[in-house]
Amino acid sequence: EAGVAQSPRYKIIEKRQSVAFWCNPISGHATLYWYQQILGQGPKLLIQFQNNGVVDDSQLPKDRFSAERLKGVDSTLKIQPAKLEDSAVYLCASSLRGGQGFTGELFFGEGSRLTVL
Amino acid sequence: DAKTTQPPSMDCAEGRAANLPCNHSTISGNEYVYWYRQIHSQGPQYIIHGLKNNETNEMASLIITEDRKSSTLILPHATLRDTAVYYCIVRASKLIFGTGTRLQVFP
Repeated sequence: EAGVAQSPRYKIIEKRQSVAFWCNPISGHATLYWYQQILGQGPKLLIQFQNNGVVDDSQLPKDRFSAERLKGVDSTLKIQPAKLEDSAVYLCASSLRGGQGFTGELFFGEGSRLTVL
Repeated sequence: DAKTTQPPSMDCAEGRAANLPCNHSTISGNEYVYWYRQIHSQGPQYIIHGLKNNETNEMASLIITEDRKSSTLILPHATLRDTAVYYCIVRASKLIFGTGTRLQVFP
């Protein structure tokens, strides 16, 4: 079974530039998550999709971050314009379902490492 | 979701059992205890979860105290490949990661 695919694995940009990350979840997984992991910290949930609808984006800095999952399958996370503090690993995860009462596991991709100079 | 407290780091000799503690004194009745681990440069990996009863799978055992205020993840025979950061998470609706315990398995 193919896992969660993410690209690119590494990206270096200057501050104020834009960047986009792509994620393809495990086939059949309705729920998709984007997490941000700053060095030395645990992952922080940015946004959760259920099919193509947003379930939770309370931690997403909406002035610069955007995400979409138009067809309910793959997803794109964009940062525009990037700041130095956006340097982090961006992890995508998927699960069969999500939400209150869901007790299954999340499957994570290997992440996209962003360095903002 | 309830907050968890874990020691920042632990060491374990290869072949010995690794016992990773977690406190979650504010856990409520419908919240599960989850354990994930993150090996360097990889995404987190699910290990095990439980509600009230002790659980065991091919990777580990989870022991939850009767009052559910704490739990212990047990890796019965630690190997060098078990060196990772281990996250204990109490979850009702979403996974909220803390800083975890960095487990170093040494030869």
